[in-house]
Amino acid sequence: NAGVTQTPKFQVLKTGQSMTLQCAQDMNHEYMSWYRQDPGMGLRLIHYSVGAGITDQGEVPNGYNVSRSTTEDFPLRLLSAAPSQTSVYFCASSYDRGETMDTQYFGPGTRLTVL
Amino acid sequence: GQSLEQPSEVTAVEGAIVQINCTYQTSGFYGLSWYQQHDGGAPTFLSYNALDGLEETGRFSSFLSRSDSYGYLLLQELQMKDSASYFCAVRPVSGSARQLTFGSGTQLTVLP
Repeated sequence: NAGVTQTPKFQVLKTGQSMTLQCAQDMNHEYMSWYRQDPGMGLRLIHYSVGAGITDQGEVPNGYNVSRSTTEDFPLRLLSAAPSQTSVYFCASSYDRGETMDTQYFGPGTRLTVL
Repeated sequence: GQSLEQPSEVTAVEGAIVQINCTYQTSGFYGLSWYQQHDGGAPTFLSYNALDGLEETGRFSSFLSRSDSYGYLLLQELQMKDSASYFCAVRPVSGSARQLTFGSGTQLTVLP
């Protein structure tokens, strides 16, 4: 199993550009999520999904859109990038049953710079 | 809301024992998790405490005391490869109960 995969690994954008960060998992996990990690601030939840067609907002959703059309894929879209979105983005997945949700499997991350 | 506090840095020598504390202010949560992250790589799950007490997994142990709003991760027989950031996390009972909240992390440096 590949686990959780993310593309691209690195990305540089100009202010106002749009892009999609890709995330896929092959563990048949119902729950998928996106976090951003900034220096000294730990991981903050952006959006999450508990299944195809079901998404919800996390702690810091502004400026980001998500959709979930399949169990495997959970892309994160930046519609108009801003320098404040410069960060490392992690995708994670888990089963959506009780304590199994507390064991999240993370992807390798996407390092995004917005100029 | 949820707030988890951890020391920003801890330093210890190889072979020693180190404790990383996590204090929290939250109205209620399902359990306390710990994650390890090397040099900005993917965080990996280490342990989970649903109930008060000590959970042991090899060289790593984790402890939770809900009455004291406190938990810790204990690393024994430290090795150089244990140098990493360690994060505690909780999933609150309130709201959708599907949002994992992380502390800001503790950078552990193991010296030879």
